[in-house]
Amino acid sequence: EVQLVESGGGKVQPGGSLRLSCAAYGFSLSSNWMHWVRQGPGKGLVWVSRIKGDGSSTYYADFVKGRFTISRDTAKNTLYLQMNSLRVEDTAVYYCARTDYFDLWGQGTLVTVSS
Amino acid sequence: QSALTQPASVSGSPGQSITISCTGTSSDVGSYNLVSWYQQHPGKAPKLMIFEDSKRPSGVSNRFSGSKSGNTASLTISGLQAEDETDYYCCSYAGSGSWVFGGGTKVTVL
Repeated sequence: EVQLVESGGGKVQPGGSLRLSCAAYGFSLSSNWMHWVRQGPGKGLVWVSRIKGDGSSTYYADFVKGRFTISRDTAKNTLYLQMNSLRVEDTAVYYCARTDYFDLWGQGTLVTVSS
Repeated sequence: QSALTQPASVSGSPGQSITISCTGTSSDVGSYNLVSWYQQHPGKAPKLMIFEDSKRPSGVSNRFSGSKSGNTASLTISGLQAEDETDYYCCSYAGSGSWVFGGGTKVTVL
């Protein structure tokens, strides 16, 4: 079955770090652009980051530049989002999504930044 | 980038048609044929409904259609049904490798 499964969310203190994972099943990450999108509690969708299938290009929203890093492991067919210097306002459900059409989404993983 | 502008809510009676607007700028919506629309039920992941302004993925009802004029894209739901009551988001390529979503619209079936 073609699907994306996120993991790695949890509660962390402000200034802390967390690494999210997104395992892909039924297709190859190396053939697709992949994205991270987040949704704060009761809020709308917000684009976070994007990576080219071969990993050669990455892009970030201004509010995460210098703090978050997107990457992927083709051997594990898994997408990652390394989040450092976390802020309270980074609290959200984080989704991974496939292609520039966002045609396939994972179920999301909740990140809570709180002291 | 600033979020695309969507109405907070739109409502209609069963069987009617409604249209949700999505207003951007000449730097995003107006520059690329890359507007997409998503349906999101509470607690669920978004689902792609329209891509490249007006194309419908396989499996999406033909009651959903997309269009665009200038800096404003639109999603029309015809023959409104109870199951259509939920949140909808637009999204556009914004240049320089970045993307931007709208603030979301809650559709209510009266």
